[in-house]
Amino acid sequence: AQKVTQAQTEISVVEKEDVTLDCVYETRDTTYYLFWYKQPPSGELVFLIRRNSFDEQNEISGRYSWNFQKSTSSFNFTITASQVVDSAVYFCALSSIGNQFYFGTGTSLTVIP
Amino acid sequence: SQTIHQWPATLVQPVGSPLSLECTVEGTSNPNLYWYRQAAGRGLQLLFYSVGIGQISSEVPQNLSASRPQDRQFILSSKKLLLSDSGFYLCAWSTSDRWGDYEQYFGPGTRLTVT
Repeated sequence: AQKVTQAQTEISVVEKEDVTLDCVYETRDTTYYLFWYKQPPSGELVFLIRRNSFDEQNEISGRYSWNFQKSTSSFNFTITASQVVDSAVYFCALSSIGNQFYFGTGTSLTVIP
Repeated sequence: SQTIHQWPATLVQPVGSPLSLECTVEGTSNPNLYWYRQAAGRGLQLLFYSVGIGQISSEVPQNLSASRPQDRQFILSSKKLLLSDSGFYLCAWSTSDRWGDYEQYFGPGTRLTVT
């Protein structure tokens, strides 16, 4: 069975702090894709990153970084030096052939100025 | 480049009235199309997805239906709305390869309030 777990429902940090959003997934497939999305207060979901299951190299994009570890089935997202504009709900997701796209329940991040 | 349009942006409808939400995609062919609903402060609930014209899969039994009359057009409908149909409706498209769906791109959404 496919499953994505985001155990952190809500997180609050003070501006300029670093914050890590956790994502744990379950799948029996050996090849799959993992994703992160951002949903700001406006509501539209914004795609952030896709990672292939056969590529465990971590990725950095500006203040954003992602840590993919197949050994622990985790795909965590870190925001460095958080800003108020980072306040949003963040979703982790999983897809594999023959299975629907699975979203986690989301983590609501509030950055306090 | 690809774009996805969704309308209307907001809608207030009385209980028992019909519903039609439309979604169109530009700049791509034969996309996978999806309808999601998001209740306030909640996660995404997949309602329907389509891999081609006339091919609709329903994930949750309810009084909603979907149709795909053209390759890049996806319509969500209801004959009689219920109060529980209120929510934020999102349309999305994606492509896929042999390992799974690529990222989904979402429209701006429709906020539906059933009164």
